[in-house]
Amino acid sequence: NAGVTQTPKFQVLKTGQSMTLQCAQDMNHEYMSWYRQDPGMGLRLIHYSVGAGITDQGEVPNGYNVSRSTTEDFPLRLLSAAPSQTSVYFCASRLRNSGTNTGELFFGEGSRLTVL
Amino acid sequence: AQSVSQHNHHVILSEAASLELGCNYSYGGTVNLFWYVQYPGQHLQLLLKYFSGDPLVKGIKGFEAEFIKSKFSFNLRKPSVQWSDTAEYFCAVNSFMDSSYKLIFGSGTRLLVRP
Repeated sequence: NAGVTQTPKFQVLKTGQSMTLQCAQDMNHEYMSWYRQDPGMGLRLIHYSVGAGITDQGEVPNGYNVSRSTTEDFPLRLLSAAPSQTSVYFCASRLRNSGTNTGELFFGEGSRLTVL
Repeated sequence: AQSVSQHNHHVILSEAASLELGCNYSYGGTVNLFWYVQYPGQHLQLLLKYFSGDPLVKGIKGFEAEFIKSKFSFNLRKPSVQWSDTAEYFCAVNSFMDSSYKLIFGSGTRLLVRP
């Protein structure tokens, strides 16, 4: 099973460049999300989606765009990269809530982004 | 604002020592609680979770956590740590006061176990 697949694993950008981090899952999960991980700050939610065509902002959405045209894919776009966006990015997915129970989040391997 | 606090940022233990990592949250209402672990160079993996019922939850690799609702806490414990437990540990909370079901993480605790 592939699980959650992120590409690229490493990327170096110059300030002002744009790029897209790809995320795909093959588990038919309705919920997908993007986090950034920074030292001493844990994981902070950027954007999330509860199904195709539905996205919403997390804790730190500024500078990032997302779309969800299919259940499988949830790309994260940086329109004009800034050094403050240097981080490790994780995509994660899970099944839709069952009542008040939320299932386990499955994480991708991460994408390390450096903005010069 | 809703938050998850992990007060121990770095913990250093010798093998066979007991471990307790603190986690407090500021949500009200129904919560789902999780501990995730990130081994060096790897992605996050679920260690254990609490949804309802018995507040003492047992997870993988001998870890357990206790949900104390009155203290808004979900501390992680292990009676005897091993060198292979060296990792970063994250507490996470999913609150149903916020209908968007966002999972919020604490800042993490780095555990170093010396052989």
